[in-house]
Formats: sequence, C-alpha cells, structure tokens
Amino acid sequence: DIQMTQSPSTLSASVGDRVTITCRASQSISSWLAWYQQKPGKAPKLLIYKASSLESGVPSRFSGSGSGTEFTLTISSLQPDDFATYYCQQYNSYGLTFGGGTKVEIK
Amino acid sequence: QITLKESGPTLVKPTQTLTLTCTFSGFSLSTSGVGVGWIRQPPGKALEWLALIYWDDDKRYSPSLKSRLTITKDTSKNQVVLTMTNMDPVDTATYYCAQDPGGYFDYWGQGTLVTVSS
Repeated sequence: DIQMTQSPSTLSASVGDRVTITCRASQSISSWLAWYQQKPGKAPKLLIYKASSLESGVPSRFSGSGSGTEFTLTISSLQPDDFATYYCQQYNSYGLTFGGGTKVEIK
Repeated sequence: QITLKESGPTLVKPTQTLTLTCTFSGFSLSTSGVGVGWIRQPPGKALEWLALIYWDDDKRYSPSLKSRLTITKDTSKNQVVLTMTNMDPVDTATYYCAQDPGGYFDYWGQGTLVTVSS
C-alpha cells in the first residue's frame, strides 16, 4: 500500500489566517489525490480531487496543489466554518489510502 | 439529488459476520464509470478504505482485509452489500458507503456505528 502522511496532525489558527496542510505519499501518485473535510459526527465532505480541482460548491478559499509525492491544501482565509479535520486520500492505486488527518483548531 | 444510506446491525458479537447494506438514489450502478465504496472510521481515528464495486462488477478490496470482505451489488434495488467475516472488537467503527466517480468519493452516506462486543 501507498502510505499517506499528513502534517501537522493538529494546527491552531485564527479566523482570517492562511492555513496550509501537507500530505506526502510514500511513492509517486501523479495527481491522483483528493482532500476531504470532516466535522465531528458527520461524514467527510469532498473538497478537492485530482490534486487541484475544486469540487462544485466548495468555497474558492480552498485550493490544492502538488504532484508526485508532495501535496498541499491551502485555506486562504480561515472562516469559523472551517474548523474541522482534513484528510488526504490517494487513488493512484488500490488499496486506496487516507492520511492520518489534520485537525484545525481555534487558536 | 444523490443520497446514500447505510443499514445493518449496530451490535455484533466477536467471530460473527457483519452484513451492511448501502441503499442509494440519484444515480445508477449500471452507468459506466460509477462505483460505490465502503470506508470505515474507528472512534477518534482516521478513515480506512475497505472495498469498492464498479458498474461493470469489478471489485476491489483492501489488501489487509481482503480475506474477510465480500462486496456485491443489486442494480435493480440500487443497493450494495458488504459482508465482513470474523468480526473483532477492533472492527468497532462507523461504516460509510460513498459514491466513487473515479477513485475518490464525492457523495457519502451518514454512516452507521457498528460495535463489536460480547
């Protein structure tokens, strides 16, 4: 399996901050990466697919970049609704694998 | 509008077999390229992909759980069924089904918590 490593595991930030989350793959996955947001007690929500394609309806303050083994999710100006846990997922090959998650907390 | 909903037991005993059903609407599993997958999440932990079934009946399984999993579909009923054998307390988790348009998951069910305990 391809291992996905996210950093940091926890991030404290304030409303209005620019936030960046990193996801590293143990081998190249081209651009076959998705990002999800999950709030407590809720199902994950797709934000980004193919590393940088914004899912319909997702605010433009979310953006994704990267290819190969290193990827980032950026929130340009953190909003109160953005405090949640974020996961990356590779779909370059089966078994599909998720990162360990990054919890974005209020500073 | 695409919706998915998981159903099944909330409590199973160790060594028993778990059977979960995903009932969906708003899309067809006979449409080229479409798949439905299962993902689980133990309490307080990360997401783990389990299995996928595609429109053409192609099936994919997590390598670490492959021997315990079976995924099937009933296109006429808009249902996907996952069975997991030999359940253990470490399998306690919320189990989600989700639509797969191409390797990732764009629509998710609400999830169902399955507890494994004697």
